[in-house]
Amino acid sequence: DGGITQSPKYLFRKEGQNVTLSCEQNLNHDAMYWYRQDPGQGLRLIYYSQIVNDFQKGDIAEGYSVSREKKESFPLTVTSAQKNPTAFYLCASSIDWGDEQFFGPGTRLTVL
Amino acid sequence: QKEVEQNSGPLSVPEGAIASLNCTYSDRGSQSFFWYRQYSGKSPELIMFIYSNGDKEDGRFTAQLNKASQYVSLLIRDSQPSDSATYLCAAPEGDFGNEKLTFGTGTRLTIIP
Repeated sequence: DGGITQSPKYLFRKEGQNVTLSCEQNLNHDAMYWYRQDPGQGLRLIYYSQIVNDFQKGDIAEGYSVSREKKESFPLTVTSAQKNPTAFYLCASSIDWGDEQFFGPGTRLTVL
Repeated sequence: QKEVEQNSGPLSVPEGAIASLNCTYSDRGSQSFFWYRQYSGKSPELIMFIYSNGDKEDGRFTAQLNKASQYVSLLIRDSQPSDSATYLCAAPEGDFGNEKLTFGTGTRLTIIP
């Protein structure tokens, strides 16, 4: 059963803590993406990766970090440097860069 | 700044009527266009894509593309309450070979029973 999984679904974090959001896909897609969505807002691109061992900053990368050591996995770390991290985080993948993207179920992060 | 723009709504349509959602894009080089549906609290799901000028139909959904006017629309016929969602338009924008899928902010659609 192919798809994209994200975990956890809900995450609570204290201020000053780093936290890592998981994203795994078994679609054999080369490209993966992380977006942030705030209430009533569109999708803002945080980081993207076109291929294993390579990734690029998106529009709002400050306070975030990623790695792409395996084709299937693209974890996102929200660091303490991110000033307003409470948001809905979406991971997506596509066969190739610029193709239609398929989204995981999302992780809702709340900073207490 | 390359942009994909949508009317944020909300757009209210009676059940059974046709809902019309519109999107404009700034990059004349964009070749493909995608419509996503996002239910409240859920992730976006791809419902339609269109590459060629004209209409593309899939069930109750029709995507329309006019490259000369840089305009893409989504029509939903026989609207159902389950169609109530936010609809996101997306288009690849940027230099050839380095296009980034750019999303509009979405139009919130409410179908009134």
